[in-house]
Amino acid sequence: QVQLVESGGSVVQPGRSLRLSCAASGFIFSSYGMHWVRQAPGKGLEWVAVIWYDGSDQDYGDSVKGRFTISRDNSKNTVYLEMNSLRVEDTAVYYCAKDRGTHIFDYWGQGTLVTVSS
Amino acid sequence: DIQMTQSPSSLSASVGDRVTITCQASQDISKYLNWYQQKPGKAPKLLIYDASNLETGVPSRFSGGGSGTDFTFTISSLQPEDIATYYCQHYDGFPITFGRGTRLEIK
Repeated sequence: QVQLVESGGSVVQPGRSLRLSCAASGFIFSSYGMHWVRQAPGKGLEWVAVIWYDGSDQDYGDSVKGRFTISRDNSKNTVYLEMNSLRVEDTAVYYCAKDRGTHIFDYWGQGTLVTVSS
Repeated sequence: DIQMTQSPSSLSASVGDRVTITCQASQDISKYLNWYQQKPGKAPKLLIYDASNLETGVPSRFSGGGSGTDFTFTISSLQPEDIATYYCQHYDGFPITFGRGTRLEIK
């Protein structure tokens, strides 16, 4: 069965960097796009980034553009989110999600919590 | 950016009630609208895709409709396990955006 397992969340000071990972299993990882979606405490869902199945293209939400970078290693079935210049407002649970093929999120991980605080 | 206006923001209903949530897009998004259910402390779960298609394994009391700018999500007979927050999401180009959510409670 499909499994997505995020890791890397922690408490970090404003301005610092952090890298999240999402390990995938149960499907042909190299055939599907992957997304990151976040949820601030008590708030709704916010789309963060997408990477194409082969890593050839990426896109980002306006609030993270220029600070976050999504990448993938298809040999390791893992997608990453490199987060730089972190802000207090980046505090959230970060989910990775599998893209069915038309930006429908058919499987989600359990999430990893990032807290940005001094 | 396409804005998704979801209403109501919260809803209280009784077991067995018919419940409807609406989502309005700021521009025509054709059928490119999904609905997700999120229970407290859990990841979202896909219920409806392409506006009206029921995801495999999802109970048939859930349904979706609409196209263009106006969409609906309906639970035909509310069950206790349906207590959750529901989100619409468009995928007609980037950035992808979600509605602000509808918190559903049992009366």
